[in-house]
Order: sequence, then structure tokens, then C-alpha cells
Amino acid sequence: GQSLEQPSEVTAVEGAIVQINCTYQTSGFYGLSWYQQHDGGAPTFLSYNALDGLEETGRFSSFLSRSDSYGYLLLQELQMKDSASYFCAVISSIRQGGKLIFGQGTELSVKP
Amino acid sequence: ETGVTQTPRHLVMGMTNKKSLKCEQHLGHNAMYWYKQSAKKPLELMFVYSLEERVENNSVPSRFSPECPNSSHLFLHLHTLQPEDSALYLCASSPAGSSYEQYFGPGTRLTVT
Repeated sequence: GQSLEQPSEVTAVEGAIVQINCTYQTSGFYGLSWYQQHDGGAPTFLSYNALDGLEETGRFSSFLSRSDSYGYLLLQELQMKDSASYFCAVISSIRQGGKLIFGQGTELSVKP
Repeated sequence: ETGVTQTPRHLVMGMTNKKSLKCEQHLGHNAMYWYKQSAKKPLELMFVYSLEERVENNSVPSRFSPECPNSSHLFLHLHTLQPEDSALYLCASSPAGSSYEQYFGPGTRLTVT
């Protein structure tokens, strides 16, 4: 089977740092993406890791360890607008068009 | 504004109706996707089109029928749906070799009565 596991909910305060973990078990693996979705909105792309290590984009960073089938999204200097659902997604096929398998999503609540 | 539009934004239909969802992308991409998002469930990939050819049909019931007349437009034709098909239907696009970075439309909220 194919599965991605991430926590269902995380709560943090403004200005803090939060880490959202994702473990995966898929038949194919070519990379791990992260998406953000605000309530009622469309998912938006945040980051992608094809190789082990840390990718940094502003306040957001993403990490991948292929040997551990594990990745995380790190959000720094949290702001109220960061309250949203965060999805990890595995690229399981690289043939034309590709195939993304999404995790269940982590709902992040940022408190004042 | 993501460059991917979907119409209608909301749709209520009976189980015997036929309707179509439309998606249009203005990003010059050549791969397009349909996803289903139900409450408390992950996004489920339904169909993938690359260069206007269907490359993925993720065991979707035949009451859902996709159509991709060109690289900018994608349709999802619906007929004889079931109440459990009520969900948010999302369209996305990407360059064919960059499926990890998909651009999503706002979705169509479908309710089947």
C-alpha cells in the first residue's frame, strides 16, 4: 500500500517555530512536496525536496531523509496568517504528467 | 490569483442529472489534473492529462468522465452521481516534467442530493 503520515493538528503561538513531520511508504519515490491550504482556498505550493537535506525559502524550510522515509516542514517566526492546513505529497512517478500522493494534512493554528 | 480558474464554484445536482465542471489554465502548462477533496481525507488524484493525452486514471468510477480538448482546458463530465460523490473538486496544472509543483484552481464545491 501507499501511505503518508502527518499529525492531524498542531498549535503554536505567534513568533514561535513549528515543525510538521511527514513519514511515507510508497511504491515509488522521486521527491517530497509541501502545500499550504487556507480554509476555503486552493492548495498552494511551498517547497520540494528531491535530495536529502534542507531547502530554505524565507521563513519556511523543508527537510528530507530518503533513508528514513521522512521529511518535515519548518515554519519560523510564525504569523497569524500561517494558520492553515499543510500537506506533504510524494512524487511517486516521473513519467509524463507525474503522480502526487497527498498526506491527510496537518491543521496549524497560530495563537496570539 | 493562481492562473487556474474553475467554473462553477458551487454546484448542486440530483443523482439523475448530467453536469460538467470546467477548468482553464493561463500558465502555459502542458499537464492538467483532477483531484477530489472530501472532508477529513487527503486529496485524491482522479485523472492526469499530459500533452492532452490521459496518462492516469486512478480507478475512478465511470460516472466521472474527463475531457481535455487542448492543453489549456480540462472538463469533468458528471452523470448519475451518488451522494458520496459530494466533495470539493480541484483542478491543477504543471509543466509536464515538474509535477511536484502544481498550481491549483479554487475548486468546485459539489453537492449531490
